Amino acid sequence: DIVLTQSPVTLSLSPGERATLSCRASQSVGSDLAWYQQSPGQPPRLLIYDASNRATGIPARFSGSGSGTDFTLTISSVEPEDFAIYYCQARMKWLWPFGQGTKVEFK
Amino acid sequence: QVQLLQSGTEVKKPGASVKLSCRTSGFTFSAYYVHWVRQAPGQGLEWMGIINPTGVPTNYAQNFQGRVVMTSDTSTNTVYLELNSLRSEDSATYFCARGVPLTSGFDYWGQGTLVTVSS
Repeated sequence: DIVLTQSPVTLSLSPGERATLSCRASQSVGSDLAWYQQSPGQPPRLLIYDASNRATGIPARFSGSGSGTDFTLTISSVEPEDFAIYYCQARMKWLWPFGQGTKVEFK
Repeated sequence: QVQLLQSGTEVKKPGASVKLSCRTSGFTFSAYYVHWVRQAPGQGLEWMGIINPTGVPTNYAQNFQGRVVMTSDTSTNTVYLELNSLRSEDSATYFCARGVPLTSGFDYWGQGTLVTVSS
């Protein structure tokens, strides 16, 4: 089965700083990768699908890149509401596994 | 507007079964897949499986093979998740989510159902 490994586990930032989150797949998933944001007590919110496409209503400060096994989610300038947990998810052969998450916390 | 409305909190004993519902509205039920995802307290997201509301295909994550059944009712635009032989480790919030065919990503989510398994 495919395994997604996210790094770092925790990212400590101040508002206005740039956030770079990584997701590595154990085998190629092409561009079939999504990113989610989850705040406490809420369901996840889709940010990016198909590696680089912003979902409806997602601010332009969020961007996704990568293909194959290495993917990146970038927040160009972190806003206070962006402090949350971020998950990547792949789609492969009728399986949709998640990574373990990266927590973006206030420094 | 697109909505996925899930059933309420459940408390079950070990060994029992639970059946959760996810009633959808605001979109063509047969045109989208529905996924189930769970999250244990303080833990990450775990994908459980997918159902095509028209019935085929359905696929389950290996961790749940033999213990989970996903079904749908096209007359009420509702999907169901049944999990059998419950154990304490199944205590979690269970989410349903809409998947768009041929793309990655789940664009709409239910509010979640808390299931507690305790003797």
